[in-house]
Amino acid sequence: EAQVTQNPRYLITVTGKKLTVTCSQNMNHEYMSWYRQDPGLGLRQIYYSMNVEVTDKGDVPEGYKVSRKEKRNFPLILESPSPNQTSLYFCASSLSSGGGPYNEQFFGPGTRLTVL
Amino acid sequence: ILNVEQSPQSLHVQEGDSTNFTCSFPSSNFYALHWYRWETAKSPEALFVMTLNGDEKKKGRISATLNTKEGYSYLYIKGSQPEDSATYLCADPPRNQGGKLIFGQGTELSVKP
Repeated sequence: EAQVTQNPRYLITVTGKKLTVTCSQNMNHEYMSWYRQDPGLGLRQIYYSMNVEVTDKGDVPEGYKVSRKEKRNFPLILESPSPNQTSLYFCASSLSSGGGPYNEQFFGPGTRLTVL
Repeated sequence: ILNVEQSPQSLHVQEGDSTNFTCSFPSSNFYALHWYRWETAKSPEALFVMTLNGDEKKKGRISATLNTKEGYSYLYIKGSQPEDSATYLCADPPRNQGGKLIFGQGTELSVKP
């Protein structure tokens, strides 16, 4: 089944404790992206990747890191989480970065993160 | 950041009503316009990707139109059903900004039986 998977789905952690949220897709998509969803603010893009080893900042990249060493995986790293990073996170992928704007995005199931 | 705005923010209709809502986006440098449907406790799913001025797309009872010159898209739902209850998001990928996708805040639709 074609899908985007994220792990963990739920995470409660404490300020400053490094964490990684994994994202994997099995559709051979070139483009991958991370979003956060906060009430009243909508989906905001954190980072995106046009292909392996190519990543770029979205609109709210502060406090996050990403890497794209393999086509299928795009982990989101919080080196020192803070309470303002408590949010619902979505990973998404689409077929081709070259035709990126024309390709629908496929979203993972979401990760609900709470930073105490 | 270019603004993508959706209206209304929320909508409550009765089963069987037809409804529509709006997505406004900057008309300059238009590239494409995405519509997504997001049910509670699930992840957003693509409905349409629209690229041409005057484009009209349809999926079952849901259809969308696009006016790139004036910068708006309408989403229509004919004969709303309770299972149509969801948040409907539109998104604009700005030209010359790589893979960025800017979402509106969504229209939350509630259909009462």
